Amino acid sequence: DAGVIQSPRHEVTEMGQEVTLRCKPISGHNSLFWYRQTMMRGLELLIYFNNNVPIDDSGMPEDRFSAKMPNASFSTLKIQPSEPRDSAVYFCASSLAWAELLAGAGNEQFFGPGTRLTVL
Amino acid sequence: QQQVKQSPQSLIVQKGGISIINCAYENTAFDYFPWYQQFPGKGPALLIAIRPDVSEKKEGRFTISFNKSAKQFSLHIMDSQPGDSATYFCAASSLGWAGSYQLTFGKGTKLSVIP
Repeated sequence: DAGVIQSPRHEVTEMGQEVTLRCKPISGHNSLFWYRQTMMRGLELLIYFNNNVPIDDSGMPEDRFSAKMPNASFSTLKIQPSEPRDSAVYFCASSLAWAELLAGAGNEQFFGPGTRLTVL
Repeated sequence: QQQVKQSPQSLIVQKGGISIINCAYENTAFDYFPWYQQFPGKGPALLIAIRPDVSEKKEGRFTISFNKSAKQFSLHIMDSQPGDSATYFCAASSLGWAGSYQLTFGKGTKLSVIP
């Protein structure tokens, strides 16, 4: 398996522009997580999905952020309009959900390589 | 509210020494405690994890010690090597109502192992 795939790996944009980050989870995983990492705040969970349904978006900083998961193999995180304080590394992670966990499978989250976003 | 507190923020250890990173949690509902390792430019990757029914788990040079009554757990890296230089995150979670483990991460510890 190729692991979690994220694109782009690097994004530089100007304040006010729309930014879309993309994620392809590991095949067979049905939980997907979006994180943001900064030096000041560490790793923050933004939102997570189970079976394509958003479960908890309490970590989404404000209405400028939105996330979708139209199918089991694709998710997007959109920032519109972007601001310099959104500059960070954004990670997507996937894992098995509870049915598999209760059956004894590991509950490891597999992280993608991240997207480094710079908003000028 | 920070639910997982990690210390130290940075750590320098000589090759062959023991690296110790500590974490404390508040939520007694947590039932899964993993440690993640992150190298520069990479995403975090699971290193080792423990459940509260045991007090210690060892995998090679890496050991988790868990103290349920004190709500603390720690990572010990024996015979530390320069290749262990990375940022280490402790985390904690419980099975959510929707059936997923939502991880709460500590702030991270940057470990540097010097030759």
